[in-house]
Amino acid sequence: AQSVTQLDSHVSVSEGTPVLLRCNYSSSYSPSLFWYVQHPNKGLQLLLKYTSAATLVKGINGFEAEFKKSETSFHLTKPSAHMSDAAEYFCVVSDNTGGFKTIFGAGTRLFVKA
Amino acid sequence: SQTIHQWPATLVQPVGSPLSLECTVEGTSNPNLYWYRQAAGRGLQLLFYSVGIGQISSEVPQNLSASRPQDRQFILSSKKLLLSDSGFYLCAWSIPWQSTGYEQYFGPGTRLTVT
Repeated sequence: AQSVTQLDSHVSVSEGTPVLLRCNYSSSYSPSLFWYVQHPNKGLQLLLKYTSAATLVKGINGFEAEFKKSETSFHLTKPSAHMSDAAEYFCVVSDNTGGFKTIFGAGTRLFVKA
Repeated sequence: SQTIHQWPATLVQPVGSPLSLECTVEGTSNPNLYWYRQAAGRGLQLLFYSVGIGQISSEVPQNLSASRPQDRQFILSSKKLLLSDSGFYLCAWSIPWQSTGYEQYFGPGTRLTVT
């Protein structure tokens, strides 16, 4: 069985400071992991994905995430937040058996203060 | 390149009325297609997925149904809407049987308000 837990429902940072959005997962298989971003009333956009290659994954807009199997974590980070980063972020796990068993986390709302 | 369209963008419907939301994908063949619902302040709930024309799998028993009359067309329907059907409906597609990873690509969504 798979599950994904986003540890914070809301995160607030100041512009120019680092961003850390936390995600823990559980999977019976070697999973694929994703981060998506959703701006208000918009669809989801893929930020980055992990598929058993390099454990440090770089994505769009300066975001990156590190897969840590021993900690079952896939935290999303960015060195310096921009106002445009304010959005909802979803951590997602898929079990590589056809894309159907895809589990979305509950989401983390990121607020960026000027 | 591939694009995904959803319409309408917003919809206000009375309780008991029918519903039809449409999703189409361009630039790819035989995609896997998905319908999700996102209630206010909540994550995504997978409603239906399809691996081919006429092949629909339902994840959650509900007041809704889905159909795939053409390869790149996915329709979400209801005969009689309930208040609880309100939400943000997202269509997505993915490439079938990729070697690794199954990222999904999302449409812009439809905001449905049932009054």
